[in-house]
Amino acid sequence: TQLLEQSPQFLSIQEGENLTVYCNSSSVFSSLQWYRQEPGEGPVLLVTVVTGGEVKKLKRLTFQFGDARKDSSLHITAAQPGDTGLYLCAGLTGTASKLTFGTGTRLQVTL
Amino acid sequence: ETGVTQTPRHLVMGMTNKKSLKCEQHLGHNAMYWYKQSAKKPLELMFVYSLEERVENNSVPSRFSPECPNSSHLFLHLHTLQPEDSALYLCASSQGYKQGGNSPLHFGNGTRLTVT
Repeated sequence: TQLLEQSPQFLSIQEGENLTVYCNSSSVFSSLQWYRQEPGEGPVLLVTVVTGGEVKKLKRLTFQFGDARKDSSLHITAAQPGDTGLYLCAGLTGTASKLTFGTGTRLQVTL
Repeated sequence: ETGVTQTPRHLVMGMTNKKSLKCEQHLGHNAMYWYKQSAKKPLELMFVYSLEERVENNSVPSRFSPECPNSSHLFLHLHTLQPEDSALYLCASSQGYKQGGNSPLHFGNGTRLTVT
């Protein structure tokens, strides 16, 4: 069973701060996705990274896929209350075509 | 209108009740999924339908029974549930059965189920 561990589990910060959340596994993934789930809603895809070492930016969010394609990070610059939510990473294994979700990081950004 | 709609949003049922969860997708996708989201646990894939045929059943107890009458609709029939089945049940769809990759998942807002 492939496991994706996310850290930290919980993060409470003030508006304007920077933060990084991590997604780690001992397994190699063909691609990795990041989702954000706001309270009372379903997860929404933010980005997919495919190549080892790849960096993608989405406004204030920067996503990086590890060189070995076993881990990923999400960095948020100048966090805003609208960034509040549960951040989920999900890795896809090429052969099994199965998407494995991580344990999630719950982020709260206060004024 | 959201791409994937789930009803009801909230459901409270006793252990002897029978109820159904409904999911409808308006995205023209041909694969639909049921996931279970419990506190402090990763999203658990329950069932996958591709072109209206069940292609995965991940060791889910028989008290959960899925139904996919067409590519736009998915149901989860519930009977004789246990309190530990209380969770958020999420429906998702994608274009193509291979989860993620070039056909990412589009989730509904879920049904919050409480079993008393």
